[in-house]
Amino acid sequence: KAGVTQTPRYLIKTRGQQVTLSCSPISGHRSVSWYQQTPGQGLQFLFEYFSETQRNKGNFPGRFSGRQFSNSRSEMNVSTLELGDSALYLCASVASGVSGELFFGEGSRLTVL
Amino acid sequence: AQTVTQSQPEMSVQEAETVTLSCTYDTSESDYYLFWYKQPPSRQMILVIRQEAYKQQNATENRFSVNFQKAAKSFSLKISDSQLGDAAMYFCAYRSRDDKIIFGKGTRLHILP
Repeated sequence: KAGVTQTPRYLIKTRGQQVTLSCSPISGHRSVSWYQQTPGQGLQFLFEYFSETQRNKGNFPGRFSGRQFSNSRSEMNVSTLELGDSALYLCASVASGVSGELFFGEGSRLTVL
Repeated sequence: AQTVTQSQPEMSVQEAETVTLSCTYDTSESDYYLFWYKQPPSRQMILVIRQEAYKQQNATENRFSVNFQKAAKSFSLKISDSQLGDAAMYFCAYRSRDDKIIFGKGTRLHILP
């Protein structure tokens, strides 16, 4: 079974630009969640999508948005990039069942200059 | 709101020795899941072990075991017979009833040969 795939793996942007990151979950997983990982803050929850609907949202500004398509693939978008948005963005698909184990992708490392 | 605290930013242990990573959490819920995730350097995060709050028995996975103290809201991870491959960031995580997963800030574990 293929794992969670995130693209691109690395990208460099400048302040004020926008970026779109993509995540393909494990086949059969309908829930996708996104996290921002920085050295100082650890992993912070961005949002979760289930069957194309945002089910949960973290405490991030409106510049951070996401969506999920009918094939469960998800994208997240960050507009008007700031230096502080430099981070590893992790996508995880959630196993069905009660425990809700997360299966992570390798992440997209964003550097904002 | 739930919180997860890992009080040890870094730890070191001699190869073949035993190490315990601490995690405390705060919640008013009675039913939830707790997880330990491992993030090796430049590799994706994987699940180490999970614990259902309603189970009194501590979870065990090979060399990894937890000490779950529900009343104290403590969930520590014990790694026995430490191996070089155990070197990683370890994250404690809490899954709430509304399916939000909250991570601690992580503990970086070094294995000394």
